[in-house]
Order: sequence, then structure tokens, then C-alpha cells
Amino acid sequence: EMQLVESGGGLVQPGGSLRLSCAVSRFTFSTYWMSWVRQAPGKGLEWVAILRQDGVEEYYEDSVRGRFTISRDNANNSLHLQMNSLTTEDAAVYYCGSGSGWGDIVYLGQGTLVTVSS
Amino acid sequence: IVMTQSPDSLAVSLGERATISCKSSQTLLTSSNENYLGWYQHKPGQPPKLLIWMASTRVSGVPERFSGSGSGTDFTLTISSLQAEDVAVYYCRQYYSDPITFGQGTRVEIK
Repeated sequence: EMQLVESGGGLVQPGGSLRLSCAVSRFTFSTYWMSWVRQAPGKGLEWVAILRQDGVEEYYEDSVRGRFTISRDNANNSLHLQMNSLTTEDAAVYYCGSGSGWGDIVYLGQGTLVTVSS
Repeated sequence: IVMTQSPDSLAVSLGERATISCKSSQTLLTSSNENYLGWYQHKPGQPPKLLIWMASTRVSGVPERFSGSGSGTDFTLTISSLQAEDVAVYYCRQYYSDPITFGQGTRVEIK
């Protein structure tokens, strides 16, 4: 079964930056679209970003476009999310997910918690 | 595309049927006659789990009591005989167009 393990979460001040990572194993990482999904405290699930297998085609949710950057390292089976200009609205558990096509999010990791507070 | 689920929560007796509705603001039906709609189950402390994709295809390993139906803009997730382990929040999600959007979630509890 696919395994996805997120890391990099933590406490950051408003306006700060954080880089999340997702290590994947037990599947051919380079053949999958990869996504980030988040859940703010007490809120529902929200899609954040998705990236094509070759790392060229990327899409973002409107509120993070221009502040977040999704990237991948196919040689090291890892996905990243660079988050800049963080606000309290970005505080959430962030999950990475994988799928075979655009929009597919079949498997998700356990998540990493991002707290934005002064 | 705005996804609207109803109800926001429901309480069902063990062994009874639970039905969740999901409506999209635009059609999710493609020219190849596929509906780009999925259903997830989310339990506290666990990652969301995909139950149904293409509106009605059950993911391998998902119990048969879970079924999805509908087409176009109206979809339904049915749990035919609610079990204790089915207590969770359920989300629909469209992947027909960018941006990908989730419904607000439906909390299912035991009556």
C-alpha cells in the first residue's frame, strides 16, 4: 500500500514562511499527480494545490495562489509545499495526497500541523 | 464549482440506512459520460479515506454497504446498514474543473 509521510509543520508567526515535505514510498512516485489538502481547526477539508508528474503543470486554490508553491523531487520521491506570507487563515493540518490523473486524490498521509500565531 | 451537502449532520440507528446528498453548482458529467465526483470518509486523527470515485465506483476494500449514485449535479452517498465504525464526517469532492472543491461535510452519528 502507498505510504505518504508529511513533515515540516510547526508554529510560525503571521507573515512568516514554512516548507512542508511529503516522503512517499511503496509506489512509483514519478507516475502520480500529487496534491496538498488541508483542514483548519473545526472546519472542513479544503484542496490547496496539485502538481503533475513532471512538475510542470500546477494548480492552486485561489487564496494561496502567489503565496504557496508546490514542487516535487522525483529522484528522491518527495513532494514539497513552500508557504510564504502565512496568515492565521492558513493554520491547519496539511495532508499530501496522490492520484493517477488530474484531480485524483486517492491516498493521503497522516498530515502535519501548521499553527500560525504571534 | 460550489458543492453543497445536506444535511450537515444526521443521527441514524445501528443497522439503519444513512443517506447524504451532494449537489454541485455545475454539471460534473463529462463528454465520456463519467461523473467526476468522489466521496471521502474522515475520522478524527486519521487521514481522509476515499470511498467512492466517479460518483458510483467503490474503492477496492470498501464495504459493500457504502454506495454512490447520481449524475450531473445531484449525487447521493448511501450507507445501507450503519455500523459503529461508520461514525465519521463524510465529504463529497468534485474534480471536474479547477479549482477542486469539497462539500462542507456531513457528520454521521449513532442515534
